[in-house]
Amino acid sequence: GESVGLHLPTLSVQEGDNSIINCAYSNSASDYFIWYKQESGKGPQFIIDIRSNMDKRQGQRVTVLLNKTVKHLSLQIAATQPGDSAVYFCAENIFSGYSTLTFGKGTMLLVSP
Amino acid sequence: DTGVSQDPRHKITKRGQNVTFRCDPISEHNRLYWYRQTLGQGPEFLTYFQNEAQLEKSRLLSDRFSAERPKGSFSTLEIQRTEQGDSAMYLCASSPEIAGGNYEQYFGPGTRLTVT
Repeated sequence: GESVGLHLPTLSVQEGDNSIINCAYSNSASDYFIWYKQESGKGPQFIIDIRSNMDKRQGQRVTVLLNKTVKHLSLQIAATQPGDSAVYFCAENIFSGYSTLTFGKGTMLLVSP
Repeated sequence: DTGVSQDPRHKITKRGQNVTFRCDPISEHNRLYWYRQTLGQGPEFLTYFQNEAQLEKSRLLSDRFSAERPKGSFSTLEIQRTEQGDSAMYLCASSPEIAGGNYEQYFGPGTRLTVT
C-alpha cells in the first residue's frame, strides 16, 4: 500500500519499549481530542479520546495526557509491538455542534522486532 | 463487516472527467463526514451531514465538488472537471449523535483518486 508517512517526524523504537508521541494543538477553545492510528493504505483507526475536563485517560496499553496550559497532547504506548507501526495523528474538536475534527501533521512510529 | 465502507477503493481518471464516490456509514450513525488526505498530511475536513442535511462545508470544497446524502443513509461525493490537484485519498467517516457531546468518528478505508 501507499505510505502516508513521507516527510513525517519519525519515532523508532524497539519491540517492548514504551513509546511517547507528542502533539501540539492549535486552538485553546478545543474541548475534545482524539488519537488515530493510520496504517499504509487504510483509513484512520480510533485509538483513544479525551475531553478537556480531564488531563489523563488510560486505555489498553495506551495513555493520553492533556496539558491545556501549553496546548500539548501526548500518546503513550506501553510495551510497543511491531503491529503498532503506523502513522499516528492527533485531532482536535471545538464543540460547535458539528464535531468537525482538525488533524495534526502526524508522527510515524516504527517498531523494530 | 459493520464498519464504514467506501466505493470504489481506487479511481484513475483523466483530467476534465467527472467522478463520483460512495460512502456507506455505520447504520445507526446519523452524522457523516467527508475528508481529503494528501500524502504526508493529516485528513482535511470537507463537509458534514446530519441525517440528510448538509450542515457545514469547508472552504476547500470548491464549486466543482458536491456532496449529497439524499435519504440520510449513504452519501456520494462528486467532483466535476477533475484537476490534477484533486488527486488525493477521500475519506468518509461517521459518528453517532448523542446530545451534548463530541464523539469519535469512525473512518472508512478511503477512495484513492489519481487524476492523470
